[in-house]
Amino acid sequence: GAVVSQHPSRVICKSGTSVKIECRSLDFQATTMFWYRQFPKQSLMLMATSNEGSKATYEQGVEKDKFLINHASLTLSTLTVTSAHPEDSSFYICSAAKPLGDYGYTFGSGTRLTVV
Amino acid sequence: KQEVTQIPAALSVPEGENLVLNCSFTDSAIYNLQWFRQDPGKGLTSLLLIQSSQREQTSGRLNASLDKSSGRSTLYIAASQPGDSATYLCAVRRGGADGLTFGKGTHLIIQP
Repeated sequence: GAVVSQHPSRVICKSGTSVKIECRSLDFQATTMFWYRQFPKQSLMLMATSNEGSKATYEQGVEKDKFLINHASLTLSTLTVTSAHPEDSSFYICSAAKPLGDYGYTFGSGTRLTVV
Repeated sequence: KQEVTQIPAALSVPEGENLVLNCSFTDSAIYNLQWFRQDPGKGLTSLLLIQSSQREQTSGRLNASLDKSSGRSTLYIAASQPGDSATYLCAVRRGGADGLTFGKGTHLIIQP
């Protein structure tokens, strides 16, 4: 199978602090992972593409200095929300695909971030 | 820019009915299309993946079709059950290494 683990599932933080979210591919190596954000009653929006060993590619309108992405290994990508504000409160979810095959993307279980 | 639209936005039907969820996309140049299920506060579960060269895929009571030229896909659920209650998302991928563009989903409630 293709399993993607995301941690933490829920986090509450104070305004101005930073929060790190981890996304791991458990049974395969993922050279590329994706990060999405979902606001209530909205669709998932692609934030950035995370590439192992290189800089992430951010979608238009996503602040790269606010949403730091690191993909230091073939099984781990992290998203750090820096200087969090209440408007950053959202559901963040990552995905990855097994290489060498058209398996589609597997998603993590998501992280509910609440900034107070 | 690709846009994905799902109709209806919400649907409530009694158990046992067959139903169809619709998805349309504006740019027919897609790599594949994927249907997902999302339970409240949870991640996504992949239901069916249709490559651009395929017309349909089936898994159990689910059947998804793809008409790439017209920018449409349908998800057919046979003999619906209360456990099918969830939000169903349609997503398209432009290229092999690209992320997905999602619709807003269809919120489905199956009444026991």
